[in-house]
Amino acid sequence: SQQGEEDPQALSIQEGENATMNCSYKTSINNLQWYRQNSGRGLVHLILIRSNEREKHSGRLRVTLDTSKKSSSLLITASRAADTASYFCAPNTGGFKTIFGAGTRLFVKA
Amino acid sequence: DTEVTQTPKHLVMGMTNKKSLKCEQHMGHRAMYWYKQKAKKPPELMFVYSYEKLSINESVPSRFSPECPNSSLLNLHLHALQPEDSALYLCASSTPRLAGELTDTQYFGPGTRLTVL
Repeated sequence: SQQGEEDPQALSIQEGENATMNCSYKTSINNLQWYRQNSGRGLVHLILIRSNEREKHSGRLRVTLDTSKKSSSLLITASRAADTASYFCAPNTGGFKTIFGAGTRLFVKA
Repeated sequence: DTEVTQTPKHLVMGMTNKKSLKCEQHMGHRAMYWYKQKAKKPPELMFVYSYEKLSINESVPSRFSPECPNSSLLNLHLHALQPEDSALYLCASSTPRLAGELTDTQYFGPGTRLTVL
């Protein structure tokens, strides 16, 4: 596996707005996963997108993958204060070794 | 049961102490992981066990000693730690690989907050 690089590093928005986070990676992947971490707690798996998929939805989450640009984005629509967390992407090349990127810290103001 | 449990939640230990962290899952996952996470940093992989065998050791100091006694349990034995080892220690497990599909979706426990004095 390899490290993803997220941007922005931090994002502050109002409740109800959309939040977009981006992830770039370096080599070919089997899939890419997004995780959320609330402060000081374990990570929660949000969504997995396979290399042959371009877009995937799960509730208020929308993930896109552009393998030609080696990038992915996570869109959270109609954000809520409870979405305040750190978000990590995890590009996966098929091995056990997951290297998380630095993450995007999202703060949603009520 | 889709939960990974970790005990204790908090641990304070001196540099001469010996302690252990415990992780348990009953999802039938055959890969289990230890991560270390410092504040405002991403989790860093320490060890991976696959089918109860150590698969990955990320050059972790020997004062950290992992153990996988069975497919549901993962321990991390701690001895002679340093203050810089204070961190959140996360355990995770992942699904067996399905034929033709490698997912490695990981399920994380809530972590053990370790403070070394």
